[in-house]
Amino acid sequence: RKEVEQDPGPFNVPEGATVAFNCTYSNSASQSFFWYRQDCRKEPKLLMSVYSSGNEDGRFTAQLNRASQYISLLIRDSKLSDSATYLCVVNGTTGANSKLTFGKGITLSVRP
Amino acid sequence: DVKVTQSSRYLVKRTGEKVFLECVQDMDHENMFWYRQDPGLGLRLIYFSYDVKMKEKGDIPEGYSVSREKKERFSLILESASTNQTSMYLCASSRDRYQPQHFGDGTRLSIL
Repeated sequence: RKEVEQDPGPFNVPEGATVAFNCTYSNSASQSFFWYRQDCRKEPKLLMSVYSSGNEDGRFTAQLNRASQYISLLIRDSKLSDSATYLCVVNGTTGANSKLTFGKGITLSVRP
Repeated sequence: DVKVTQSSRYLVKRTGEKVFLECVQDMDHENMFWYRQDPGLGLRLIYFSYDVKMKEKGDIPEGYSVSREKKERFSLILESASTNQTSMYLCASSRDRYQPQHFGDGTRLSIL
């Protein structure tokens, strides 16, 4: 199993739709989880951290399922401005060599 | 706000040249990273550093070296540029191994 694996894409949804992305990870000892957003030809930017109890930021909800080793991102009431690539990030190794591993990203296109 | 500054947005060099990409962060972060990003391959880690004068190989270090003489500055060096090193290069920094990384704007490097 790859360290971090994301849903295949792309996702193409109408405005107002609810869309969910999943991301699985292989290291059961992983402790840090994030979602990043990357616009075309720009750098990745932190969208939100993912906490064990789940967390919400406006229309965005992030959840962690440790038992099944995946994180998810739910976007409600999609806007045209949500069109971007979404990267899941996990610290794929632990201990002295711990570092974050980025998924390849999934592209979301929101159409009018 | 964290500021990660990369020296150039766009750079064109010739095959065989020695190329220097500079990155500076202003948040006193311990950790700094260099990635390259190519379509379909996602972010790939080239080198990282957890302390001054310290460096660790990432997933694709061949053809690259790095220098970290000061905490705020992390340089990527292409010893003898080749066309397959044409890519988007992204520098990032973080407070520690478990915290989110903050990225610079990126350098689009073309090797002719």
